[in-house]
Parts: sequence; C-alpha cells; structure tokens
Amino acid sequence: EAQVTQNPRYLITVTGKKLTVTCSQNMNHEYMSWYRQDPGLGLRQIYYSMNVEVTDKGDVPEGYKVSRKEKRNFPLILESPSPNQTSLYFCASRLSYREYSEAFFGQGTRLTVV
Amino acid sequence: AQTVTQSQPEMSVQEAETVTLSCTYDTSENNYYLFWYKQPPSRQMILVIRQEAYKQQNATENRFSVNFQKAAKSFSLKISDSQLGDTAMYFCAFPSSGTYKYIFGTGTRLKVLA
Repeated sequence: EAQVTQNPRYLITVTGKKLTVTCSQNMNHEYMSWYRQDPGLGLRQIYYSMNVEVTDKGDVPEGYKVSRKEKRNFPLILESPSPNQTSLYFCASRLSYREYSEAFFGQGTRLTVV
Repeated sequence: AQTVTQSQPEMSVQEAETVTLSCTYDTSENNYYLFWYKQPPSRQMILVIRQEAYKQQNATENRFSVNFQKAAKSFSLKISDSQLGDTAMYFCAFPSSGTYKYIFGTGTRLKVLA
C-alpha cells in the first residue's frame, strides 16, 4: 500500500530535550516536505527536499533541522524544542516538485512542548 | 508574493444541501494547478479535487466540483448533497512551480448537520 508513515503520532516533551520525528514514504517520491499546522494559520512549510541531499528552507524553518540521506526518509529534528513549537506536524511527499503533482500526507504528529 | 486566502473560517450546512467554500489566490504564474484537501477529525489529509489552470472546464469528482475563474483568481469548492462524512477542515492549496513550495490557505471548518 502506497503511504507516508510518520512517527510518533503523539509526543509530549520538555523544553530543550532533543527529539526526532521520523517520516518514510514507499512511493519512490522525489519531493518531501514538513509542515506545521496551527489554528487560524493553516499549514506552513518548514523545510522541503527535492531529492537526496537537497534540502531548502520553507517559510518557518527556525528551530528545525532536516536531512535527506535516503530517498524514502526525511526526518524532522528539533535540537532544542521550545513551547512555541507545540503544534501538529505533517510530513508529505510528492512524485516530483512539478506543479501537477499531488501531495500525500502522513497521519500527523501532535507535539506538545512543556 | 504568492498567497492563498480562504475567507470563511467556519461554515455549516444541512445534510443533503449544497455548500460552497471559497478560495482566492495570487500568482504571476500562467500555468499552474490548484488543489482542495479535506482533513476529517482523524487528521488524515485527503485529496478532494484538482484543477489545471489552462483547462477551461471545471473539475468534478462525484459530489465535489469547483468553480474556477482564472481571471478573478478564484477557486471555490462546491459540495452537493452534503453528507455527515463531509464534516472536516478543507484546505485550498497551490503548488508553486517557481518556488517549489506548496502553499496552503488557512482552512474552512465545515460542519454538516443532521
């Protein structure tokens, strides 16, 4: 089954404790990205990757890191989480970065930083 | 700057009635695609419908159709014969070929009433 798998689904952590949210897709998609969803703000892009070892900042990259060492995986790293990073996070993949390509989403990670 | 605007934060509709969700966007690109995604309470993001900007004909998928007006940069979603399962957050999205970003509106929360 074609899917984007994101883990964990729920995470509560303390300020400053490094964490990683994993994302994996089995569709051989080139393009992957991370979003955060906040009430009244919709989904905002954090980082995206157009292929292995090619990543770039989205609209809200501060406080986040990513890596793309393999085509299927695109983890999101919070080196020192802060309460303003409490949010719902989505990983998404697309066949390509071209405009016709629809996005496939993971199931979301609800992160709470206390 | 490329933007997507959804001006209706919340809407409700009676079961079996028709409802229209609005979306406007701003871009200087000539050839592009527009998408509507649905996010039910499960949080899973699901593609509802897509529209190719160079096509005159409005896209239709079963009970879902769009009213695409390119000159006005308007892309509204019409849901006919609303069902309880249509209760969800709906996002309008625009994948920018120029910036490689996927831009979302702030969403419209739709509630279908029995």
